[in-house]
Amino acid sequence: RKEVEQDPGPFNVPEGATVAFNCTYSNSASQSFFWYRQDCRKEPKLLMSVYSSGNEDGRFTAQLNRASQYISLLIRDSKLSDSATYLCVVNPGTGYSTLTFGKGTMLLVSP
Amino acid sequence: GAVVSQHPSRVICKSGTSVKIECRSLDFQATTMFWYRQFPKKSLMLMATSNEGSKATYEQGVEKDKFLINHASLTLSTLTVTSAHPEDSSFYICSAWTPTDTQYFGPGTRLTVL
Repeated sequence: RKEVEQDPGPFNVPEGATVAFNCTYSNSASQSFFWYRQDCRKEPKLLMSVYSSGNEDGRFTAQLNRASQYISLLIRDSKLSDSATYLCVVNPGTGYSTLTFGKGTMLLVSP
Repeated sequence: GAVVSQHPSRVICKSGTSVKIECRSLDFQATTMFWYRQFPKKSLMLMATSNEGSKATYEQGVEKDKFLINHASLTLSTLTVTSAHPEDSSFYICSAWTPTDTQYFGPGTRLTVL
């Protein structure tokens, strides 16, 4: 089983659609979780951290289920500018350890 | 604003030359920085972990004599690609943990070896 697995993409959705990304991780001792977005030919940028209680930032909602080792990202009312690759990222340890990345899921939002 | 910077953003060099890439943490100290490489349409691949004041830790398959890492200060790590060849052409990205327990990436350096 891969350490961090994401939905294979790409996801093609129209503007205004709601889209959900799923991610599972294999290391049950993982400590912290993140969603990054990466635009073409750019570096990954932190979108949001993911907490057990769930967290929301505008149109974006992230949830973590530690029992199922599952992370999700929901984007509501998608915009053209949301088109990017979304990376599920896990910190397998405590402190400043090496992150484990999923392969990413590409989102294409069309007019 | 940016919390991690990289320089240069783009470099084109001839085969056989060496290229140095700098990664700086802005307004915070980073005892550990990470160097990644990303080929077109591929995932980020961790190359090495740069440790201030000690030797870098390289991932399996990454040649430490080819990719020299120096982390001489708490805000600067450098990656030198020695005797670069066309197959080293890639997007090189560094990252660092900030005091707020999030990891930020530099803007990347696009290396093209002719």
